[in-house]
Amino acid sequence: GAVVSQHPSWVICKSGTSVKIECRSLDFQATTMFWYRQFPKQSLMLMATSNEGSKATYEQGVEKDKFLINHASLTLSTLTVTSAHPEDSSFYICSAPGQVNTEAFFGQGTRLTVV
Amino acid sequence: AQSVTQLDSQVPVFEEAPVELRCNYSSSVSVYLFWYVQYPNQGLQLLLKYLSGSTLVKGINGFEAEFNKSQTSFHLRKPSVHISDTAEYFCAVSPRNSGNTPLVFGKGTRLSVIA
Repeated sequence: GAVVSQHPSWVICKSGTSVKIECRSLDFQATTMFWYRQFPKQSLMLMATSNEGSKATYEQGVEKDKFLINHASLTLSTLTVTSAHPEDSSFYICSAPGQVNTEAFFGQGTRLTVV
Repeated sequence: AQSVTQLDSQVPVFEEAPVELRCNYSSSVSVYLFWYVQYPNQGLQLLLKYLSGSTLVKGINGFEAEFNKSQTSFHLRKPSVHISDTAEYFCAVSPRNSGNTPLVFGKGTRLSVIA
């Protein structure tokens, strides 16, 4: 099946700094990438949808200035957590949809810890 | 819009015993149905999916699920669990023939297999 590679797997950063998370589609072109956030022992919450060559669409309550999403090519989407704070600590996962919603391909996830 | 309800947040079960993880969904349109497994600090791995055809779907690791349209359910079963099945399990749906839309997830069920 298709592979989405997400990096880094783990990152620890100081409060106030920015962190970039990358998701690459390795053997297919992803015109769309979904970004999810997962709190401990909870489900995945959709944060935003990125589309190649256009602005991302954010879900209600997600700060677009804090969570910057870029989808500059058909194989790369990035999420940058700007001016990170401890409350931004979470597990972030990207996902590219398969053909007509028949499947979704997930990255390995990124555990962000802000200290 | 779609919603998914996983009735059990935690399911403890003894090794080699059978298990059923329950999932019900609500949707105004026809949907595809999925079960994913998530191991700690990892992304989601597809266990199985129902797209069409036979309502009994077999997946990886000995899991199977049955689609019941009248009860809007898609319960996951395994006749004999192993310690390695301990993980978080998510039921998800996506609307049929609706372009690139994100999966809607249930809250997850934590399966704990006891030796």
